[in-house]
Amino acid sequence: QQPVQSPQAVILREGEDAVINCSSSKALYSVHWYRQKHGEAPVFLMILLKGGEQKGHEKISASFNEKKQQSSLYLTASQLSYSGTYFCGTVLLQGAQKLVFGQGTRLTINP
Amino acid sequence: ETGVTQTPRHLVMGMTNKKSLKCEQHLGHNAMYWYKQSAKKPLELMFVYNFKEQTENNSVPSRFSPECPNSSHLFLHLHTLQPEDSALYLCASSQDRGEGYGYTFGSGTRLTVV
Repeated sequence: QQPVQSPQAVILREGEDAVINCSSSKALYSVHWYRQKHGEAPVFLMILLKGGEQKGHEKISASFNEKKQQSSLYLTASQLSYSGTYFCGTVLLQGAQKLVFGQGTRLTINP
Repeated sequence: ETGVTQTPRHLVMGMTNKKSLKCEQHLGHNAMYWYKQSAKKPLELMFVYNFKEQTENNSVPSRFSPECPNSSHLFLHLHTLQPEDSALYLCASSQDRGEGYGYTFGSGTRLTVV
């Protein structure tokens, strides 16, 4: 039931782009994306609901392919502040409050 | 204060101790959650409360006992823990059932069982 994220870790130079993927073996109702910096709480980035919509947040956007049960997070022209661990979380059923997280993708941005 | 506040930030306890973790949210949310975050493991859902009622217990051992006296406060009572229970315990809240809304997390309690 736990979604699988890939890659597990990414190292970029400032200004480069990154894609983080999240896959589920089960049909999904929604996908959440969070970023956690070391020693801090996870911070909500965006949520995608069933319907395949794409969302954007500054230079960070995400897509949701419900047929493939996959979501991707796109980080464009990465900044040093984007460093951290990114988690996707999935909800299987509408109305369910069981948000299950993937294992995380560690993103390091170097100057 | 705003957001989700957890106390204490750090806790060291022996295996025979009894302690409690506290979580308070000032966001007007109706749902609250406990998650466990261990090194090299994903965030594990423990308990879910919606309007003070427990709606999810993710097969958590009975040595962890949650309490939700109202929609703004959540406790996790700990007793006779094991060293493998050492982890970061995160509280979160969301609006209603969370559909279309993200979770707001507290900074967590770093628990060490000795």
